[in-house]
Amino acid sequence: RKEVEQDPGPFNVPEGATVAFNCTYSNSASQSFFWYRQDCRKEPKLLMSVYSSGNEDGRFTAQLNRASQYISLLIRDSKLSDSATYLCVVNLNRDDKIIFGKGTRLHILP
Amino acid sequence: DGGITQSPKYLFRKEGQNVTLSCEQNLNHDAMYWYRQDPGQGLRLIYYSQIVNDFQKGDIAEGYSVSREKKESFPLTVTSAQKNPTAFYLCASSSQQGPGAETQYFGPGTRLLVL
Repeated sequence: RKEVEQDPGPFNVPEGATVAFNCTYSNSASQSFFWYRQDCRKEPKLLMSVYSSGNEDGRFTAQLNRASQYISLLIRDSKLSDSATYLCVVNLNRDDKIIFGKGTRLHILP
Repeated sequence: DGGITQSPKYLFRKEGQNVTLSCEQNLNHDAMYWYRQDPGQGLRLIYYSQIVNDFQKGDIAEGYSVSREKKESFPLTVTSAQKNPTAFYLCASSSQQGPGAETQYFGPGTRLLVL
């Protein structure tokens, strides 16, 4: 099993729809989790951290499921500007190291 | 404005040439990192530094070298030993030490192409 795994997509979603994608991780001792957004040919930018209790920021909701070892990102009322690649980032809690997933591409269609 | 800058935006390397990528931050962050990103791939850690005058190898350090003489600066040299250097290079920094410690903030990146 890969350390961090994401569905590469692309997810093609009509504007206004709700979309969700998951990221699985292999190390059960992982402590910190993040979602980053990366636009085409740009640097990754932090979208949100993921906390055990789940957290919400406007149209975005992140959740952590430790039992099944995955985190999720839900985007409601999707906008054209949400089109990007979403990177899952996990702190493996080993060798003080974080792992970036390969990303999930999202295309919001007008 | 606080942030991380990288230069140049595009860099061309000839065979057998060493090139240096610049990374500067004015966020007063202790830790800085270099990543490489290839198309359709995740970020891979090249080197990181938790404090001035100290740095550690990441997962793919071969063919690269770094220095950390100042807190604000963490230049990366791509040496002629790196046989496949074409990639998008990203520099990042964080306020806590260690790659896993906290949120990392990225510079705009440098695209390196081999002629």
